[in-house]
Amino acid sequence: AAGVIQSPRHLIKEKRETATLKCYPIPRHDTVYWYQQGPGQDPQFLISFYEKMQSDKGSIPDRFSAQQFSDYHSELNMSSLELGDSALYFCASSLDGSNNEQFFGPGTRLTVL
Amino acid sequence: AQSVTQLDSHVSVSEGTPVLLRCNYSSSYSPSLFWYVQHPNKGLQLLLKYTSAATLVKGINGFEAEFKKSETSFHLTKPSAHMSDAAEYFCVVSDRDTGRRALTFGSGTRLQVQP
Repeated sequence: AAGVIQSPRHLIKEKRETATLKCYPIPRHDTVYWYQQGPGQDPQFLISFYEKMQSDKGSIPDRFSAQQFSDYHSELNMSSLELGDSALYFCASSLDGSNNEQFFGPGTRLTVL
Repeated sequence: AQSVTQLDSHVSVSEGTPVLLRCNYSSSYSPSLFWYVQHPNKGLQLLLKYTSAATLVKGINGFEAEFKKSETSFHLTKPSAHMSDAAEYFCVVSDRDTGRRALTFGSGTRLQVQP
């Protein structure tokens, strides 16, 4: 069965650079979530989209933005990167009405030097 | 506001012995509860979920959890640990009635399995 796809899997950036992470949800899933997991931390919710509209917002910094496109894939844009942004970024997708069972992608490991 | 508390940050068991990972939740409404497992440098895999059907939930790899509303608990158990069970386990909650679907994770329990 198709799973959530994230790209790239690994990304290394310098401070103050920008990064774009991509997420391709499971086919027919209409909701996408982004989570950030710092070293040794539990995942923290950043933002979510339902039917291409932002549906919920968590602890996402103002330097980050995200959107969901017409094909339901989502991109997380991160600007003015800081050392503290180094983390594993997970995307998850779900189908509305499915009791919120979220399927997670393998994650993108971002390292900011 | 919803939250979960995982009562043990580390649990160590011997192979073949029972596993108990404890989780208490706080939710204003009817919660959906999940257990996810994360192996080192891997993504998050759903073990099982509770969504107001049977209170005893069976998951993959022999794991199960029991929802106890009176105790606000959702402990994860397995009768016999296997070496491959060594991983980080997260108890997770979301509030179904509020429409807020973002998952709130516990701080995680690292399970070690000794040979």
